[in-house]
Amino acid sequence: AQTVTQSQPEMSVQEAETVTLSCTYDTSESDYYLFWYKQPPSRQMILVIRQEAYKQQNATENRFSVNFQKAAKSFSLKISDSQLGDAAMYFCAYRRGRANSKLTFGKGITLSVRP
Amino acid sequence: NAGVTQTPKFQVLKTGQSMTLQCAQDMNHEYMSWYRQDPGMGLRLIHYSVGAGITDQGEVPNGYNVSRSTTEDFPLRLLSAAPSQTSVYFCASSYSRQGAGNTIYFGEGSWLTVV
Repeated sequence: AQTVTQSQPEMSVQEAETVTLSCTYDTSESDYYLFWYKQPPSRQMILVIRQEAYKQQNATENRFSVNFQKAAKSFSLKISDSQLGDAAMYFCAYRRGRANSKLTFGKGITLSVRP
Repeated sequence: NAGVTQTPKFQVLKTGQSMTLQCAQDMNHEYMSWYRQDPGMGLRLIHYSVGAGITDQGEVPNGYNVSRSTTEDFPLRLLSAAPSQTSVYFCASSYSRQGAGNTIYFGEGSWLTVV
């Protein structure tokens, strides 16, 4: 079975600084996707960024980027120029294959942003 | 385009009562899933469906039933509510066809309290 581990329950960052959220996963599959979701207090699940396992290039979405280390099974999220609105719970998630709605989530990390 | 709609948003049940959480999507998605979110646990898969008439169990299926009579709807039934089923429930859907990252869409969540 696949597992996703987020070992840091909480992190804090100063506004405008950079923070990295860690995630490791375990799978024997070769075809999979990895995701970072943001969950603000409203509990809405917001997709931040996704990475396809067969792509070596790290995904980037504006201030958000990932460091995907396939051999090490590591998938960290870097948030640059942190903003107050980035404060939320962040979940790392794994999906086997390219087309289904079955995700395995990590336990999440609470990010706070200091003004 | 409403996306994924969950009802009700909030519900309080007494132990032993039954109820149904409704989930509907208007995107003609084949895949639909139900998750529950508990403090410190991340989201865990309850049941999922790959199309009308086809359902299967996820990680935590006990105490829940599902059916998929139409592509649009995927209701989650609690047969005899227990306090351990107090949680936030999310419905999600996606296409079965690969491409465009196969985005997974989440509903806004249903808060259920069992007393």
